[in-house]
Amino acid sequence: EVQLVESGGGLVQPGGSLRLSCAASGFTFSDHYMDWVRQAPGKGLEWVGRIRNKAKSYTTQYAASVKGRFTISRDDSKNSLYLQMNSLNTEDTAVYYCVRDYPHSGRHYFDYWGQGTLVTVSS
Amino acid sequence: DIQLTQSPSFLSASVGDRVTITCRASQDISSHLAWYQQKPGKAPKLLIYAASTLQSGVPSRFSGSASGTEFTLTISSLQPEDFATYYCQELNSYPITFGGGTKVEIK
Repeated sequence: EVQLVESGGGLVQPGGSLRLSCAASGFTFSDHYMDWVRQAPGKGLEWVGRIRNKAKSYTTQYAASVKGRFTISRDDSKNSLYLQMNSLNTEDTAVYYCVRDYPHSGRHYFDYWGQGTLVTVSS
Repeated sequence: DIQLTQSPSFLSASVGDRVTITCRASQDISSHLAWYQQKPGKAPKLLIYAASTLQSGVPSRFSGSASGTEFTLTISSLQPEDFATYYCQELNSYPITFGGGTKVEIK
């Protein structure tokens, strides 16, 4: 059974940093691209970024709203995905989801999602 | 960036109704579109990918179609467990974007 379990969320002051983790199990983690998606309270879904697999040199893509502040990384030996968030502001308050990608016809769809971890940026 | 416009944003329907949700892309995205269902307090669930392919385990009452830059999610006979918010998503290019969502509520 595919499982994605996020951790590391919590309350942080504006300007602060936080590192989210996602523990993956039930599939060959190293084969898959992985993404982070967030959802502000009462709002819609926003893609945060993606990290590709080793075959694609672990390259990353980011949304403009987080580029330069957030960094996605992975440790295939630990089946883990990370999101390092720096220079946080109140607009970053959201539930953050770890997502597994499913490749199909050259695109990677989001087939499994974690339960999410809440990040609150407030003074 | 590609914009996805979902309509309606809110829908009131009864069990057994046929429901249609539309998603319009601001430019050509081929068939690189997915639909997700999200229930309150839960993570989204993939329903349809590549515009019309049903994800494994998803009931056949859900279907997707495409015509140019207009995409449609249809629920042929609404069931009690289908009351939720639905999102479309395009994966044609970066940044990946989502539609604003359609909340389906009980009439």
